[in-house]
This record gives sequence, structure tokens and C-alpha cells, in this order.
Amino acid sequence: ILNVEQSPQSLHVQEGDSTNFTCSFPSSNFYALHWYRWETAKSPEALFVMTLNGDEKKKGRISATLNTKEGYSYLYIKGSQPEDSATYLCALDHSNYQLIWGAGTKLIIKP
Amino acid sequence: DTGVSQDPRHKITKRGQNVTFRCDPISEHNRLYWYRQTLGQGPEFLTYFQNEAQLEKSRLLSDRFSAERPKGSFSTLEIQRTEQGDSAMYLCASSSTNEKLFFGSGTQLSVL
Repeated sequence: ILNVEQSPQSLHVQEGDSTNFTCSFPSSNFYALHWYRWETAKSPEALFVMTLNGDEKKKGRISATLNTKEGYSYLYIKGSQPEDSATYLCALDHSNYQLIWGAGTKLIIKP
Repeated sequence: DTGVSQDPRHKITKRGQNVTFRCDPISEHNRLYWYRQTLGQGPEFLTYFQNEAQLEKSRLLSDRFSAERPKGSFSTLEIQRTEQGDSAMYLCASSSTNEKLFFGSGTQLSVL
């Protein structure tokens, strides 16, 4: 059974500080790694889809890296703002269509 | 609005009743997914359509669950003889081949 793990489960960060969290996945049968942000009372929103080992993607203050050989991805947020408060989900695409989801990291930014 | 839409947003039903949810994907997307999400968990895969063909259905899905996507456009998810354990958020998402998923707002089901 394929398992995607995210850590930490939750995180409190002071406004203005930078932070990062981890998504771990089995490195076999890798097709792509997705990151989504899920704000309360909204739909999950795609951040990145990463396919290549060593890939790094950036969207504003948020960036992500990918290591397919060791099976992990990091999501970084620089200079956290209150609007960054959300649950961040990663998902492994191992078959070209079915995503295996992690349980998410809940990020709370303290003003 | 050209996003994914789901109807209804909320559904309260009594145990044993049948319920049906609808999802209208982004029109040019050929892939459509149904997920279920319970508190504190990530989305749980239910089923997947490529155009009108249902290519995979989760083994966790009982025979009480059925989904259709006639003509490869909108999709319906039906739950027969609902149980309290079916209470969850049901999410629909669509995508083009190998691209990111776009999610609807979900249908929150409460079975009393």
C-alpha cells in the first residue's frame, strides 16, 4: 500500500518568519508530485506539479523542491503572512492519474 | 464562472435514504475525480473518469456508491441506503491530461 506522509501535522509560525514542511513518499513508480493549499471554507487550490528530480518551483513567496530518488519534497514559505494560514496537502501521482494524498500540514500564522 | 461547480453545497439526510450529488467540471477537462474527505484526513479517492469512461473505482467504495458521467460532461455520485459513516465532504475535481486538479467547493453530507 502506497503511503504519503506529511510532517509536521500542524505548525504555528510568527508573522514574518519563514517556514518549511515535508512530504515523504515511496520513490518507486513515481510520476509526479502535487502540492495544494486548502483554506478553510474554500476548495483546494493547486500550487505546484513537479515531475523531475531536483526540480524547484516558485510562486511568489512559496517554493518547493523535489527529490525523487530519496522520496521527499519540501515546501518553503518565506516571510509568512496571515493569508498563508491553510492546510498544505501533497499528493503523489504514481499511475498517471490516481493521486495518493497526504493528511496535510496545518499552518497557522500568528500576528 | 468557469470553475468546477458542485450541487448541493450541503445535504442532510436520514439514515437509509438515497442521495445524489452533481458535479459540473471545467468544460475542456477530460478527467473527473470524486474524493471523500473526513475531518483531519486528506482527500480519499473514490472514483475517476476519463471522458465518459469510469476507469477506476476505489476498493473502499461499497456497492452502495455509484457514479456516472454521461456524455463525458457532468457527473453524478449516488449513495444508496446512506449510513452515518457516509457523513463527509464529497469533493469533485477535474483536470486535463497530466495537469493539476481544479476542485469544486464540495458537498457536505450529514447522515442523521
